Amino acid sequence: EAGVVQSPRYKIIEKKQPVAFWCNPISGHNTLYWYLQNLGQGPELLIRYENEEAVDDSQLPKDRFSAERLKGVDSTLKIQPAELGDSAVYLCASSLSPQGGDTQYFGPGTRLTVL
Amino acid sequence: DQQVKQNSPSLSVQEGRISILNCDYTNSMFDYFLWYKKYPAEGPTFLISISSIKDKNEDGRFTVFLNKSAKHLSLHIVPSQPGDSAVYFCAATSGGSNYKLTFGKGTLLTVNP
Repeated sequence: EAGVVQSPRYKIIEKKQPVAFWCNPISGHNTLYWYLQNLGQGPELLIRYENEEAVDDSQLPKDRFSAERLKGVDSTLKIQPAELGDSAVYLCASSLSPQGGDTQYFGPGTRLTVL
Repeated sequence: DQQVKQNSPSLSVQEGRISILNCDYTNSMFDYFLWYKKYPAEGPTFLISISSIKDKNEDGRFTVFLNKSAKHLSLHIVPSQPGDSAVYFCAATSGGSNYKLTFGKGTLLTVNP
């Protein structure tokens, strides 16, 4: 079974430029998560989707960050414009459902460097 | 305010010995705890979990202990193997749902041959 796929794996951009990350979850997983991991820190939840619906985006900085999951499968996370402090690893995870202790499976992440 | 704390940034043990990774939490609403392992350039992978109604859960070489009164949990790896060298994250959640994980900063475990 294929795992969570993310692309690109690495991205270097200049500040004020836009950037987008793509995630393909494990087949059949209804719940999709985007996490931010700063250097030396644990992952922090940005947004959670149940199918197409963003059910928890309370931690997403909505002035510059946006996300979508149009058909309830793939998802895109966008930053516009990027700032120096956005340099981090962006992780995507998926699970069958958030209930009952379903395990979250993580992708390899996209490492963003903003110059 | 960090609700899940892993106070040891790193730990080094000899192959075959026991590795003990510690985690403390402050939020008394947490009722489900997980350990994830992360290799460089990979995403975290689930290792083992424990519900607050238990004080111990075992899976092969991995055992997690939970002390609710002390708000402390630990992961024991016996025997430790070089392939166990990775960053270990402690995570917690509440309300019977696994979706909002709060992670610690992680502990880098190095198992020396």
